[in-house]
Formats: sequence, structure tokens, C-alpha cells
Amino acid sequence: QKEVEQDPGPLSVPEGAIVSLNCTYSNSAFQYFMWYRQYSRKGPELLMYTYSSGNKEDGRFTAQVDKSSKYISLFIRDSQPSDSATYLCAMRSGAGSYQLTFGKGTKLSVIP
Amino acid sequence: ETGVTQTPRHLVMGMTNKKSLKCEQHLGHNAMYWYKQSAKKPLELMFVYNFKEQTENNSVPSRFSPECPNSSHLFLHLHTLQPEDSALYLCASSLQGAMSGADTQYFGPGTRLTVL
Repeated sequence: QKEVEQDPGPLSVPEGAIVSLNCTYSNSAFQYFMWYRQYSRKGPELLMYTYSSGNKEDGRFTAQVDKSSKYISLFIRDSQPSDSATYLCAMRSGAGSYQLTFGKGTKLSVIP
Repeated sequence: ETGVTQTPRHLVMGMTNKKSLKCEQHLGHNAMYWYKQSAKKPLELMFVYNFKEQTENNSVPSRFSPECPNSSHLFLHLHTLQPEDSALYLCASSLQGAMSGADTQYFGPGTRLTVL
């Protein structure tokens, strides 16, 4: 079983839709959870960061972590064409570990 | 320049060539990383430097040789590569490395490497 599972898509939605992106993981030691956005021909940029379980909201973006289910989500409200990118989930166990474990990424297209 | 920069952005090399990738961070960070991103695979951590000292080498073949002369610069020296080494090579930096679980990594734009 892979440590982090993420559906690669592609996922196409109309402008204004609510987008749900998800990752599941198997390592219960993970405590820190991140979402990165990667535009074509660019490096990943940090979008959201959460610690342990719960929700975090930033503008149109909401990150959710459910550690009991080993499941994390990123919701995008009122999606825009500029949100078209690949979204990578990443997680790490905590202090003392450099290792970020990434999902494969989900490619999202928001159609005007 | 701000953030993390990488040069060159694109590189084509033969299997017998020697080339180097360069990364520079302007964020005052203490840890720097090399990652490999291949199609349909997750990002793979290759090397980590913390305060110029190599702290992680994830079983990377010796044809990849990192160098970190100071906390702001990181190089990846390449020699006798194979076609399967073609990928996007990403550099990242972070403030505290493994000292803080909350430490976040910031990525450069990457070097797209093609090995013929």
C-alpha cells in the first residue's frame, strides 16, 4: 500500500463550481498536512498548511484533516479558471523529520 | 530576485556529458533540498542540507553529486546520466529543516532535464 494515495484526475469543472480534492494515507505518524499548487512549468507553491485534525479556511480554500480516517481534503469554492493547476498533497510526521511525503497530484481544469 | 531561483530552466545532455544545476535561495533559510519529479510519480526527495551539512541522501545513485557551499546556494552535479533520469529537478528551501515539525518548504521553478 502506497503511503499517500491521490487520484491523479484529470478533473474538469465549470467555473464557479465547488471543487473537492482528496488524499488518503496509511502512516498514522503524520501530523502536518500541506496542499501545494503547481502550475504548468512551475515549481509547487504552498497553498494551505494544517496541523493535526480539523479545518482551516483561507479565502476560497478550505483544508480538512480527519486523522481518525487518515483522510485529508481541499475544497475550492467559486472556482476560477486561474485555479487550473495540479494540486499536490504532502505530509510529514513532525520535528526530527525532513521527509515530506507527497501524493502524485490531481490535475484540475476549471472551464470558463 | 526573490524566493528560490534555479538555473538553467531547461537542459538537454548526452549520457557522457557532465553538467551542473544551480539553486539559490533569497529567503534566509537554513535548509535546502533537491527533489526529482517524474511524470505520474510523486515528488522524490533526493538530498537535504541543513546549515551546509548533508543530512539526508535517499539512496540516490552516485551519478548525482550534490554540493552546498553555503546556506544560500545548492548545486547538483550530473555525470554519465541515463535516459530514465530525465525529469523535473526541483530545489526547495526551508527555515529550520527538521528542527520544527511546522517547517514549510518553498520550491523553485525547477530545471527540466532531458537525457538523450
